[in-house]
Amino acid sequence: AQSVTQPDIHITVSEGASLELRCNYSYGATPYLFWYVQSPGQGLQLLLKYFSGDTLVQGIKGFEAEFKRSQSSFNLRKPSVHWSDAAEYFCVTSGGGADGLTFGKGTHLIIQP
Amino acid sequence: NAGVTQTPKFRILKIGQSMTLQCAQDMNHNYMYWYRQDPGMGLKLIYYSVGAGITDKGEVPNGYNVSRSTTEDFPLRLELAAPSQTSVYFCASAPSSYNSPLHFGNGTRLTVT
Repeated sequence: AQSVTQPDIHITVSEGASLELRCNYSYGATPYLFWYVQSPGQGLQLLLKYFSGDTLVQGIKGFEAEFKRSQSSFNLRKPSVHWSDAAEYFCVTSGGGADGLTFGKGTHLIIQP
Repeated sequence: NAGVTQTPKFRILKIGQSMTLQCAQDMNHNYMYWYRQDPGMGLKLIYYSVGAGITDKGEVPNGYNVSRSTTEDFPLRLELAAPSQTSVYFCASAPSSYNSPLHFGNGTRLTVT
């Protein structure tokens, strides 16, 4: 069965600094990978997704993620964070099938002024 | 375009009471899902549906029931509420399965005391 690990429960970054959120997956074949963001009191919103092809994918709000098969990773990056980026970020994988989504436990991003 | 609408936003139940969490989507999506979110645990799938009249259990179905009489609506029923069901519940929908992003509602925060 597929699994997703987000090793950082909390990350604090200064506004304007760069950001990298880590995600490692465990799956036999090439997984479908997603990053979702959850703002306080809100549902989850899709930031970006990877299915195949170019391993560097661009998403909304200036985020990007790179799929690295050799490291089983799909890390999320942003060159310069804004205070509005403070939220919970979830790495998600799918092996296929209607019930196939597996969520990581989330990384809580705190932005320092 | 309303997307996925969940009601109520908040609810407090006494142990043993029952209630129905409502979920409606106006995007004509075939796939609908119920997740629960507990602190530090990511999202766990309770039930899902691939179309009207078809439902199936997810990872944590005990204590819950669902029905899908129309494409638009996917209510979640809690019978004999227990403190372990204190959680935030999210409904989501998608046009198809694993390679479609999920559209989430804003959640229902349920407390059982």
